[in-house]
Amino acid sequence: GNSVTQMEGPVTLSEEAFLTINCTYTATGYPSLFWYVQYPGEGLQLLLKATKADDKGSNKGFEATYRKETTSFHLEKGSVQVSDSAVYFCALRSSTGANNLFFGTGTRLTVIP
Amino acid sequence: NAGVTQTPKFRVLKTGQSMTLLCAQDMNHEYMYWYRQDPGMGLRLIHYSVGEGTTAKGEVPDGYNVSRLKKQNFLLGLESAAPSQTSVYFCASRLPHGGTSGRALEQYFGPGTRLTVT
Repeated sequence: GNSVTQMEGPVTLSEEAFLTINCTYTATGYPSLFWYVQYPGEGLQLLLKATKADDKGSNKGFEATYRKETTSFHLEKGSVQVSDSAVYFCALRSSTGANNLFFGTGTRLTVIP
Repeated sequence: NAGVTQTPKFRVLKTGQSMTLLCAQDMNHEYMYWYRQDPGMGLRLIHYSVGEGTTAKGEVPDGYNVSRLKKQNFLLGLESAAPSQTSVYFCASRLPHGGTSGRALEQYFGPGTRLTVT
């Protein structure tokens, strides 16, 4: 089956610190991988994605590389800002059926000045 | 474009009451989804629809019904609410697989409905 295991939170960092949020997955077929971000009081927004092995998704200084050999899609940012405080969800889209999304449990990031 | 909108934003129900959550999208998307978000569990798919007049069960469909009478609307119904249905409900929509847009498979989410069942 399809599942996503995400680093437990919450994570608290100082501004300009390096961020890593781990994500591993199990899937049948050839899934696409996503990171979504949820700011307080809002719905989820797509942050970045990768559709095949070795692809790197990037957006707003965040990056994640689709590693098939380790079934991972870790989120990284070199220097976080207070405005990055949010909940981050790793997700995979199955390559079969209705291409539904399977989400990890989410990691709450708080960045302090 | 308003994107994906959800009505209501908040609701408190007593056990056994019924209600309908409305999701509307103005992007002409074929696919629509209902998720629930619970602490420590991420989002779980309740029901989805691949087009007007069609619906299908997701991961946690029990206790919910849905209808997609119009392409732009996807309704989620609770016939007899239970405390276990206290959650935040999100609707999402997307273009079908193989759409011409490079973002064809991206799901767009609404702002959510916070439901409390007492």
